[in-house]
Amino acid sequence: AQSVAQPEDQVNVAEGNPLTVKCTYSVSGNPYLFWYVQYPNRGLQFLLKYITGDNLVKGSYGFEAEFNKSQTSFHLKKPSALVSDSALYFCAPGGNDYKLSFGAGTTVTVRA
Amino acid sequence: DVKVTQSSRYLVKRTGEKVFLECVQDMDHENMFWYRQDPGLGLRLIYFSYDVKMKEKGDIPEGYSVSREKKERFSLILESASTNQTSMYLCASSLIFPPLVGADYGYTFGSGTRLTVV
Repeated sequence: AQSVAQPEDQVNVAEGNPLTVKCTYSVSGNPYLFWYVQYPNRGLQFLLKYITGDNLVKGSYGFEAEFNKSQTSFHLKKPSALVSDSALYFCAPGGNDYKLSFGAGTTVTVRA
Repeated sequence: DVKVTQSSRYLVKRTGEKVFLECVQDMDHENMFWYRQDPGLGLRLIYFSYDVKMKEKGDIPEGYSVSREKKERFSLILESASTNQTSMYLCASSLIFPPLVGADYGYTFGSGTRLTVV
């Protein structure tokens, strides 16, 4: 069984400030970790993934995430947020059972 | 790029109707999934399929069935639509999971079908 927790329903930041979206997970076996973004009335778009290797993963649109095995976390970060980053973000862990788990997501609002 | 196409963006159906939601992917993915998305509940897995004619129940299969007669097509069926099935439905596909090092695995999602049952 696997689970995911995004402790913040909403994150609000000013444009140009750093953005962090938190995620902790629980999986059976080796974790495969993904971040997706969803814009209004659209499907989910892939941002980045961790499979193995370097704990710092870089992805689309300037986002990165750090895998921390001891804390079972995979927080999403962006050094300088843009208004266009306002969206719903999902962390999705997977194990050895063909399926990703999705939580409720975190709504990010970046104000100009 | 992989494309996952859902046949309808918006759908309005009456209570008791049989509803078909269609999903087609064009990159020969083995796995296909149906999720529903509701505010505050995230994505919940309804059914998934890892091969033609194979299906597995997800977390909330009640009131739904699926069909996968061809590798590229995965249909979600609401046998008798009810108002509590009003939701956004998302289809996704993926290569074999768990992913292999160096390969571009993960899910590719369709744009979603917003279903309203009245």
